[in-house]
Amino acid sequence: DTGVSQDPRHKITKRGQNVTFRCDPISEHNRLYWYRQTLGQGPEFLTYFQNEAQLEKSRLLSDRFSAERPKGSFSTLEIQRTEQGDSAMYLCASSLVTAVQETQYFGPGTRLLVL
Amino acid sequence: SQQGEEDPQALSIQEGENATMNCSYKTSINNLQWYRQNSGRGLVHLILIRSNEREKHSGRLRVTLDTSKKSSSLLITASRAADTASYFCATEYTSGTYKYIFGTGTRLKVLA
Repeated sequence: DTGVSQDPRHKITKRGQNVTFRCDPISEHNRLYWYRQTLGQGPEFLTYFQNEAQLEKSRLLSDRFSAERPKGSFSTLEIQRTEQGDSAMYLCASSLVTAVQETQYFGPGTRLLVL
Repeated sequence: SQQGEEDPQALSIQEGENATMNCSYKTSINNLQWYRQNSGRGLVHLILIRSNEREKHSGRLRVTLDTSKKSSSLLITASRAADTASYFCATEYTSGTYKYIFGTGTRLKVLA
């Protein structure tokens, strides 16, 4: 257990429905990342926050995806009008950025299946 | 592709043997990190090596970095069945849209 939690752990939805995932980072961590991982592949960067500010967003992230981190604590990732191609594991990671280095701590992931 | 390349894609060894996996990347980096992922679970950070470092050790792990060849290797010595997992390298680039780029991973199986 890294201290990063994600909810739900599994989600099955029908195509066209909206889904929302939550990530609770390690409390003192100022950065929070979202990744998507499909079977047999490495995690693919989606977006990241520094405190409450969303600093980078992958150009692979369509406008159906939105993420928030109100008050710089937990974060939510929403997918609107889900498609079968959205089926994947969605991973959250948090880190404490120092002048020396940054280590990301990953949550267990939310596995999404779109039928 | 936004991802680095790892080699081999899969590796099967006997317990007690050493395992070596390699990672190549594309442009200048700030640092390179290695992660382990057990089946269906989140990633666990193993070790970070900065661009001005050439070698680093942590327990049974040894990481090397060759910035001239844009490559890194992870050596696991005296492997155990519990080392069975997928191993990923992640690079922090000095420029570009993405903060961290993960490789495609090496699936290691250690046979007891």
